[in-house]
Amino acid sequence: DAGVIQSPRHEVTEMGQEVTLRCKPISGHNSLFWYRQTMMRGLELLIYFNNNVPIDDSGMPEDRFSAKMPNASFSTLKIQPSEPRDSAVYFCASSFSGRNTGELFFGEGSRLTVL
Amino acid sequence: GDSVTQMEGPVTLSEEAFLTINCTYTATGYPSLFWYVQYPGEGLQLLLKATKADDKGSNKGFEATYRKETTSFHLEKGSVQVSDSAVYFCALSKAAGNKLTFGGGTRVLVKP
Repeated sequence: DAGVIQSPRHEVTEMGQEVTLRCKPISGHNSLFWYRQTMMRGLELLIYFNNNVPIDDSGMPEDRFSAKMPNASFSTLKIQPSEPRDSAVYFCASSFSGRNTGELFFGEGSRLTVL
Repeated sequence: GDSVTQMEGPVTLSEEAFLTINCTYTATGYPSLFWYVQYPGEGLQLLLKATKADDKGSNKGFEATYRKETTSFHLEKGSVQVSDSAVYFCALSKAAGNKLTFGGGTRVLVKP
């Protein structure tokens, strides 16, 4: 079975540009998580969805960040406008909430560099 | 709020050495505890877990015991290999839906 698929793997953009990161969760999973990883702050949970509904977006840093999950097989994280401090690796993870095992399945991440 | 604290790295070891990474947590109630591993260029993957006090999680030669009295979940391996070089994350979960709170991660480098 395919794992969590993220795109793009690498993105280099200039300050002020819009960035869209994409995620396809594992089929059958109903929870989806967006994490950001930086050297300074480690792993931060930005937002998570359950059954396509945003449950907790308290980690979204500011209004420049938005996330959507239009259906069970696709989610986007958008940054508009981007800033150099947004440079990080963004991970998407999915799980089946009915099991509550704590096991999240992570994608390989999208490395964003904002110049 | 809930939090996880783990020792800062990097931890540099020789092959076949003993590895221990300390992890302590702060949480109300009875969280489940986890260790995740991140190999270079990859996402995190679950290494082991324990869901109640005194449980021991184990996988690939790694072990960790859930100690409620010391709020700890230290990771150990008796004889590390070069292939164990990675970043290790301690985490807890209380909420339904598998929401995890992660520690800062500990980088481990094993030299031949």
